[in-house]
Amino acid sequence: ETGVTQTPRHLVMGMTNKKSLKCEQHLGHNAMYWYKQSAKKPLELMFVYNFKEQTENNSVPSRFSPECPNSSHLFLHLHTLQPEDSALYLCASSQVMGQGTLHFGNGTRLTVT
Amino acid sequence: AQKITQTQPGMFVQEKEAVTLDCTYDTSDPSYGLFWYKQPSSGEMIFLIYQGSYDQQNATEGRYSLNFQKARKSANLVISASQLGDSAMYFCAMREGQGSGAGSYQLTFGKGTKLSVIP
Repeated sequence: ETGVTQTPRHLVMGMTNKKSLKCEQHLGHNAMYWYKQSAKKPLELMFVYNFKEQTENNSVPSRFSPECPNSSHLFLHLHTLQPEDSALYLCASSQVMGQGTLHFGNGTRLTVT
Repeated sequence: AQKITQTQPGMFVQEKEAVTLDCTYDTSDPSYGLFWYKQPSSGEMIFLIYQGSYDQQNATEGRYSLNFQKARKSANLVISASQLGDSAMYFCAMREGQGSGAGSYQLTFGKGTKLSVIP
């Protein structure tokens, strides 16, 4: 079982749909992160959760809504997305926020039509 | 100004040869950490190696080594004895500060270098 698991691996959705991305980590880490990876751009940090509390929102539009019910699970709820939101969304975790190595999941490849 | 610069969009290397992937960084913080990640086509970002700004020796992890030149602000990744499975995107990243304070825990990534290993 991999350390950080993301589902689904691929998602195609229309602009009016509502969907959710799921991330689960089995490493006992206390911090979890959402990153966006667009073509030919560096990874962009979206949200950070530390001990289930959101500590960072990097000016992300409200059509992206994160949820962290416990230290092991992280969701990204999506609604009324735009085609430019198509990207690879990566979840990561670390033992302590701001320290150590980030462990990433395989990502969800999102296409907005 | 970009904090992490990877000047090589793509690189080719012959199998079993060594290859160096370039990374330069920009920071005024005396305390920082440098990371290299590998991203195969599957999408997962795989941690390879870490170098702290105060580390006296260059980091090594198996076939990976980091050529850390602090004065030049460069942290090049050296992969020895390349294998076909090394074909992937490689990202250099930096974390500034001690890990406390707003934003100091953020990893800043470069745009990546696509490495292709030729049989």
